[in-house]
Amino acid sequence: EDQVTQSPEALRLQEGESSSLNCSYTVSGLRGLFWYRQDPGKGPEFLFTLYSAGEEKEKERLKATLTKKESFLHITAPKPEDSATYLCAVQLRYNFNKFYFGSGTKLNVKP
Amino acid sequence: GAVVSQHPSRVICKSGTSVKIECRSLDFQATTMFWYRQFPKQSLMLMATSNEGSKATYEQGVEKDKFLINHASLTLSTLTVTSAHPEDSSFYICSARQLAGDLDTQYFGPGTRLTVL
Repeated sequence: EDQVTQSPEALRLQEGESSSLNCSYTVSGLRGLFWYRQDPGKGPEFLFTLYSAGEEKEKERLKATLTKKESFLHITAPKPEDSATYLCAVQLRYNFNKFYFGSGTKLNVKP
Repeated sequence: GAVVSQHPSRVICKSGTSVKIECRSLDFQATTMFWYRQFPKQSLMLMATSNEGSKATYEQGVEKDKFLINHASLTLSTLTVTSAHPEDSSFYICSARQLAGDLDTQYFGPGTRLTVL
């Protein structure tokens, strides 16, 4: 069964304290893995797409990496404005219209 | 970046009435749009996939006669919640799929908060 699991569910960091969020997946075939940021009461904001193992993408303090089983979202020296829920989603290779979302990691960065 | 709008952002209606939510891709054409529902502190639940010019594909457990979807153009999809009841109160989010070369990405709208009294 296709499945996406994110951990931890919630993460509290002090400002400047780097950490990583995990997205592990079990799917019949991966076409792409997506990371989104969602603020309360808003729609998800696109961050990254990763297509193949070994691929990395960066944006400001965020860096996403991909292996054959999981993806990490590394947050370097986070700031309070990075507080949000981070969602990952996988797109299936054999059905481009199928996207499975994880349950998200709620990040809280304290000043 | 690609922009997707939703209207209205909030709606309050009486039980038994119907509510229409619009989803527009503002700067790209989208043959495929998706409708999600999100309950508090939970992740996105896909309701249906909307394809321009054809019938929507509904996920298991989603009543197609209750949640009417129309994708009449490459930039507009609508979701109509018919005969709404309090249990339909939720946060509804649409997304539009942008295909550009090898890139295939969903961009989300800001969501619509529906409250049924």
